Amino acid sequence: AQSVTQLDSQVPVFEEAPVELRCNYSSSVSVYLFWYVQYPNQGLQLLLKYLSGSTLVKGINGFEAEFNKSQTSFHLRKPSVHISDTAEYFCAVSVPQAAGNKLTFGGGTRVLVKP
Amino acid sequence: SQTIHQWPATLVQPVGSPLSLECTVEGTSNPNLYWYRQAAGRGLQLLFYSVGIGQISSEVPQNLSASRPQDRQFILSSKKLLLSDSGFYLCAWSVRSFVNYGYTFGSGTRLTVV
Repeated sequence: AQSVTQLDSQVPVFEEAPVELRCNYSSSVSVYLFWYVQYPNQGLQLLLKYLSGSTLVKGINGFEAEFNKSQTSFHLRKPSVHISDTAEYFCAVSVPQAAGNKLTFGGGTRVLVKP
Repeated sequence: SQTIHQWPATLVQPVGSPLSLECTVEGTSNPNLYWYRQAAGRGLQLLFYSVGIGQISSEVPQNLSASRPQDRQFILSSKKLLLSDSGFYLCAWSVRSFVNYGYTFGSGTRLTVV
């Protein structure tokens, strides 16, 4: 079975400062990796995904993430945050070809951008 | 384009009452469908998923059940709600047949059991 750990439950950050959200996963097989964002009282939106190839993945809204197989990590970064980036962020994994394409999510990281 | 509809957006129900949440998908065929629950301060827990009409897989034993009466309809039900059923319920769909490109989520239903 797979598991996902998001090491920070909350991350306060000032506007225009960089932010990094940490995600580590555990799996005995290769996985696909995802980052989702959830704004208050809304569903989740896909920020970016890693399926294969280049380990640096660029997503929407200026976010990027780097897959590190040796460290089993998929950390999310943004060089300069805006107030509108205040949201909860979820890292998730799935196993290719697994039944149902199930996604396993981490516990989430709340980002609060301060002016 | 594909869209996913989930309703109601908000629901307050007394303990012991029944529950029915509905999710429908438009613009795609044969999707995988999912129900997740997000409890306060916790991550997303997969409750059920379905790969076809009438095919339901349960991930967590609990007070809830799911049904898929039509290809693009997924229903979450309970006969008698418990206080612990409170939470934010999210429906999602994904393409079925090949590489996983992630899910598309509905806007969620916030359920408060009182």
